[in-house]
Amino acid sequence: SQQGEEDPQALSIQEGENATMNCSYKTSINNLQWYRQNSGRGLVHLILIRSNKREKHSGRLRVTLDTSKKSSSLLITASRAADTASYFCATDDGQFYFGTGTSLTVIP
Amino acid sequence: GAGVSQSPSNKVTEKGKDVELRCDPISGHTALYWYRQSLGQGLEFLIYFQGNSAPDKSGLPSDRFSAERTGGSVSTLTIQRTQQEDSAVYLCASSLTGSEVSPLHFGNGTRLTVT
Repeated sequence: SQQGEEDPQALSIQEGENATMNCSYKTSINNLQWYRQNSGRGLVHLILIRSNKREKHSGRLRVTLDTSKKSSSLLITASRAADTASYFCATDDGQFYFGTGTSLTVIP
Repeated sequence: GAGVSQSPSNKVTEKGKDVELRCDPISGHTALYWYRQSLGQGLEFLIYFQGNSAPDKSGLPSDRFSAERTGGSVSTLTIQRTQQEDSAVYLCASSLTGSEVSPLHFGNGTRLTVT
C-alpha cells in the first residue's frame, strides 16, 4: 500500500527561490526519507530524519517532521535549475513505502 | 560498477509473452526491493528480499508475477503472460542491511512496454 502523499503534485519556481514540498503519511514510522528522481533515472537518497527528531539540515536541504500530524516537509533553499526533478518521501515501518511525488521545475 | 545495475534498460514485448528483468545489487547489500512505477506515478512496492529470509511478496499484483534472488545477490523478476497494464518502469533497489537507517540505492530501471 502507498503510505506517503506529497503536496503539491507540481511546483514551478524561479532559480534562486526556495521550494517547499510536503508529505503526509498514515501510520507510525521509524524514520522518513526523501528521495529525488531525475527524468528516466532511478531514485537517489537525499536525507533521512528519524522519528524522534523534528528538524534536520543538509546543505541547502531542510527537513521537518511532525509525527503528531504525520507530516514532513522538504525545503530546498536558493534553488538551481539542476534541482529540477521529482521528489518523493518514503516512510519506513519495516517496509519502504513511497508517495506519489512532487514534480519540481526550476526556471533559469 | 559501484551502483545497482538493471537489465535490460528497455524491453518491448507482445501481449501474452513472458519477460525476465534482472537486477544486480551493490555487492554486500543484503536487502533487495522491486518497485513498479507507472508513467507520472509514485512507486508501487512489489517484493522485498532480506538475506536468507523468506521474501515479502505482499506487493505482487497477481500470480503472473514472481521473483527470485539467487545466492543472495542477483535477482530476477519474471512476468508471465504479459498484459498491457504491465507496461511501466520496474525499479530495483538494494540496501546494506534493510535496517531503518540504511537508505535505498536504486538502479535506473527497466522500461517495459507491452504491445
